[in-house]
Amino acid sequence: GAVVSQHPSWVICKSGTSVKIECRSLDFQATTMFWYRQFPKQSLMLMATSNEGSKATYEQGVEKDKFLINHASLTLSTLTVTSAHPEDSSFYICSASDGGKEDTEAFFGQGTRLTVV
Amino acid sequence: AQSVTQLGSHVSVSEGALVLLRCNYSSSVPPYLFWYVQYPNQGLQLLLKYTSAATLVKGINGFEAEFKKSETSFHLTKPSAHMSDAAEYFCAVSGIGTGNQFYFGTGTSLTVIP
Repeated sequence: GAVVSQHPSWVICKSGTSVKIECRSLDFQATTMFWYRQFPKQSLMLMATSNEGSKATYEQGVEKDKFLINHASLTLSTLTVTSAHPEDSSFYICSASDGGKEDTEAFFGQGTRLTVV
Repeated sequence: AQSVTQLGSHVSVSEGALVLLRCNYSSSVPPYLFWYVQYPNQGLQLLLKYTSAATLVKGINGFEAEFKKSETSFHLTKPSAHMSDAAEYFCAVSGIGTGNQFYFGTGTSLTVIP
């Protein structure tokens, strides 16, 4: 199957700083990528849908100014957590699909564990 | 609107016993249904998917699931549990017109007892 690479796999940052997480589709073009957040022992919560060349669509309750998403190319989407606080500590996962067909599975990155201290 | 419900946040089975993880869905459009597995601190790996073809879907690692429209269910089964099956399992739904947006259940943690 297609490969989605997420970087970094883990990061520790100080409160108040910003952290950028990259999501790359390595062997296919992804016009749409999704960003999820997962709290311990919980399910994935969709944060936003990232569309190449346009603004991301955020789910209700997700602060767009705090979680900046950029999808500058068909193979790269980035999530920047701005002015991070300890409550932003979580596991962030991106996904992408490789076709226009909606029954295509989503391919997931390995996830990024963010710890804000 | 689409959603999935996974009954049982924790399931324990003995090694060699039947595995049954339950998933019920709600969808306003014909659904596409997926089961993913997640190992600690890793991303999600697709086990199998239903996309309106055969209702009995076979996946990797000996897992299978049956789509039952009358029961709005897509339960995951495996005849004989292996220690390596211990993980978190997520059921997800997408569908026509959703743009490949997935909605996940709350997950079921499977423990395999030796």
